[in-house]
Amino acid sequence: NAGVMQNPRHLVRRRGQEARLRCSPMKGHSHVYWYRQLPEEGLKFMVYLQKENIIDESGMPKERFSAEFPKEGPSILRIQQVVRGDSAAYFCASSPPDGHYGYTFGSGTRLTVV
Amino acid sequence: DQQVKQNSPSLSVQEGRISILNCDYTNSMFDYFLWYKKYPAEGPTFLISISSIKDKNEDGRFTVFLNKSAKHLSLHIVPSQPGDSAVYFCAASALQGAQKLVFGQGTRLTINP
Repeated sequence: NAGVMQNPRHLVRRRGQEARLRCSPMKGHSHVYWYRQLPEEGLKFMVYLQKENIIDESGMPKERFSAEFPKEGPSILRIQQVVRGDSAAYFCASSPPDGHYGYTFGSGTRLTVV
Repeated sequence: DQQVKQNSPSLSVQEGRISILNCDYTNSMFDYFLWYKKYPAEGPTFLISISSIKDKNEDGRFTVFLNKSAKHLSLHIVPSQPGDSAVYFCAASALQGAQKLVFGQGTRLTINP
């Protein structure tokens, strides 16, 4: 029973490029969450999705960031025109339909913008 | 606006002794609290949680205490073991936004042999 799978583990992008981060939830989990951790800080909520629906995107920056969780396939966090300040660890978590008490995090994608 | 605060960035404890990690929160709407443990290059793993209707929850070597009037919670680990060396995050959620967790900055715990 695989856990939450995130890929790639490490991603290097030049300023202005696009970054795509993928997250496959645990089997049976239909809720996906994205969090960002800046250096020496805690995790900050970005977005909560269910299949084909964005439920809460209150933590998403207004521009350049988008997320989706299609009917088939992984959840994608997309960052357009990356800047140095986007360098961070991005963690995805999933939970079953009954709520976050079963939150399981993936190992994260470390994005470095050069 | 840091709603969940862990004021100690690091803590060093001798093996076998008790480790006490502290967390304060400001939002009175928070009613569910969790502790996560994180090793380098890994995601956080759930450790223990407590609902606001309780003031204590215990699981093996780990106990979480909640003082609602002081808006303070603590995690006790006893006895501390070298494998407990990690960064510990406390997190909180409110009934209304039950799916969203607010994390503290983390405390790096080092257990010395």
